[in-house]
Amino acid sequence: SYELTQPPSVSVSPGQTARITCSGDALAKKYGFWYQQKPGQAPVMVIFKDTERPSGIPERFSGSSSGTTVTLTISGVQAEDEADYYCHSSDNSGTYQVFGGGTKLTVL
Amino acid sequence: QVQLVESGGGVVQPGRSLRLSCAASGFTFSTYGMHWVRQAPGKGLEWVAIIWFDGSNQYYADSVKGRFTISRDNSKNTLYLQMNSLTADDTAVYYCAKDGKVAPETYSFGNWGQGTLVTVSS
Repeated sequence: SYELTQPPSVSVSPGQTARITCSGDALAKKYGFWYQQKPGQAPVMVIFKDTERPSGIPERFSGSSSGTTVTLTISGVQAEDEADYYCHSSDNSGTYQVFGGGTKLTVL
Repeated sequence: QVQLVESGGGVVQPGRSLRLSCAASGFTFSTYGMHWVRQAPGKGLEWVAIIWFDGSNQYYADSVKGRFTISRDNSKNTLYLQMNSLTADDTAVYYCAKDGKVAPETYSFGNWGQGTLVTVSS
């Protein structure tokens, strides 16, 4: 089965830049998406189509793509950004959706 | 605004069945694909199934194929998930999600409900 690989955890101090990567072969051909999930809450999309930001998402959230890796960058991290972040894409057929294992972002 | 409200969760014995519902409002339900996504306690997200806007196609994760059925009633703006032959591994919060419709042949989870907890236990 198809897999997306994320680091389990990332830690940064307030005001620094956090980068979370997600790797998978199909990302070379399929879009990547990112979701933020805070404890006890439903996920929220923060990046779609590799680099685009939904309305209402702060500009400090950005996405990039290179080959088989997509990256979520949070510039000027704030305490409220502490959450789990999940990448998502599909397999090469586009039919089956897959999530990465999630990355816990800790703001020190 | 988009609102998705799941219901039907609860405690169920292994081998039994349960049907979840998701009431949608704030958008034209009949023009969007819909998904179910689940999250086991303390674990990550797992996509479960998708149904096209008109109900003409459904796709399932391998872990639920043959046991779960996704369906919809566009006249009632409601999405369903029929779950049969439940096992402990199906214990999770089940979220319904509206497809993001961001690009052709590309699925995403644009809006999420708050989820309903299903516990499979004897």
